[in-house]
Amino acid sequence: KNEVEQSPQNLTAQEGEFITINCSYSVGISALHWLQQHPGGGIVSLFMLSSGKKKHGRLIATINIQEKHSSLHITASHPRDSAVYICAVSRDTDKLIFGTGTRLQVFP
Amino acid sequence: DAGVTQSPTHLIKTRGQQVTLRCSPKSGHDTVSWYQQALGQGPQFIFQYYEEEERQRGNFPDRFSGHQYPNYSSELNVNALLLGDSALYLCASSSAGVSEAFFGQGTRLTVV
Repeated sequence: KNEVEQSPQNLTAQEGEFITINCSYSVGISALHWLQQHPGGGIVSLFMLSSGKKKHGRLIATINIQEKHSSLHITASHPRDSAVYICAVSRDTDKLIFGTGTRLQVFP
Repeated sequence: DAGVTQSPTHLIKTRGQQVTLRCSPKSGHDTVSWYQQALGQGPQFIFQYYEEEERQRGNFPDRFSGHQYPNYSSELNVNALLLGDSALYLCASSSAGVSEAFFGQGTRLTVV
C-alpha cells in the first residue's frame, strides 16, 4: 500500500462545477503539499499546509491531521484548471513522498 | 528571480551511455532534491543534497549519483543507462528544514 493515496485517479467535469480531490496518508507528517502538473511536466506548488484550511482564489485546501486526510477543492471550475493534481507529504526533512496524482479534465 | 532552472529540457541517449542533468535552485534556497517521474506515475525521490553532501537517498542504484556545488547548484549523473531510466527528472529546491518546495520544469530523458 502506498504511503500517500489519492482519489479519484481520473476526474472529468463541466465548466463551473465544484471539484473535490481527496488525499489520505498513512505516515506521520510535518506538512502536506498540493501540487499541479501540466502537460510538459513542470510542477507548481499550490499549497503547503500542516493544519486547518488555506484558500487561494478558487482553490481551497483542508487537512485533518487526526484522520490523516486532506482535500483540494476547486470552485467554479474552468477548462484551464485541467491538469494533474498531486498530493505529497513531507516528514522531518524536505523530501516529498508523492501520491500518483489525479488527472482532471474540465470541459467547456 | 528565475526560480528553479533545469538543463537540458530534453535529452536522447543510447543504452550504456552516461548522462549529466543540471539544476540551479531558487535564489536563497540551499537544499536540492532530485526526483524521477516515469510516465503516468508520481515522482519518486532519488536523493537530496544540502551543504554539498548527500543528506538522504531513495531506493535507486549506485548508477545514480549527484553533486552539489558551493553556489548550491546540483548535478544528477546516471551511468550505464538502461531503457527503464527513460523518465522526467525533476529538481526541487527549498530552504533547510521543512519548507515549500519549488520545482523546475524537468528534464525529459529518453534512452533508446
